[in-house]
Amino acid sequence: NAGVTQTPKFQVLKTGQSMTLQCAQDMNHEYMSWYRQDPGMGLRLIHYSVGAGITDQGEVPNGYNVSRSTTEDFPLRLLSAAPSQTSVYFCASSYESRTSGGSYEQYFGPGTRLTVT
Amino acid sequence: KNQVEQSPQSLIILEGKNCTLQCNYTVSPFSNLRWYKQDTGRGPVSLTIMTFSENTKSNGRYTATLDADTKQSSLHITASQLSDSASYICVVLSSNTGKLIFGQGTTLQVKP
Repeated sequence: NAGVTQTPKFQVLKTGQSMTLQCAQDMNHEYMSWYRQDPGMGLRLIHYSVGAGITDQGEVPNGYNVSRSTTEDFPLRLLSAAPSQTSVYFCASSYESRTSGGSYEQYFGPGTRLTVT
Repeated sequence: KNQVEQSPQSLIILEGKNCTLQCNYTVSPFSNLRWYKQDTGRGPVSLTIMTFSENTKSNGRYTATLDADTKQSSLHITASQLSDSASYICVVLSSNTGKLIFGQGTTLQVKP
């Protein structure tokens, strides 16, 4: 198993550009999510999905879009990049759903370091 | 507001020594509390997951404790190794929202 994979590992964008961060998992997990990690702050949830075709907003969704057409893939789109979106982005997956409150482990990808100038 | 606070913010210890990291939370009710280890440039990796009814859980040299009455948890690292140098993140799963609430992490540096 490759686990959770993310591409690219690093990206530099100019303000106003758009791009898609890719995330894939091969563990047949229903639940996938995107987080951003900023210095001195805990990870913050951007968007999440409890299964193919179902997505919902997290804590900081503005400026980001997601879709979940397959169980394996959960891309994150930046519509018009802003310097405030400079961050490290992590994709994660687990068996548990939003409502189950279960104790399943959440597996994180290696992250994408994004800089917006 | 649901919060998870960790202390200290950073810590330096000598190889072979023990250390304890603290986590205080206000999330209530909660389903479980997790500790993650995050190496520099990598994603977090789960160390332990404890439900509200568990007091202690071990994973090798890592032992997590939970006091649901005082809303405190600690992560004790025994006989530290250079590979323990990382950020340690305390995370609480809210029963109400089903969402994970992350602490800001404690950065541990183990020196030879």
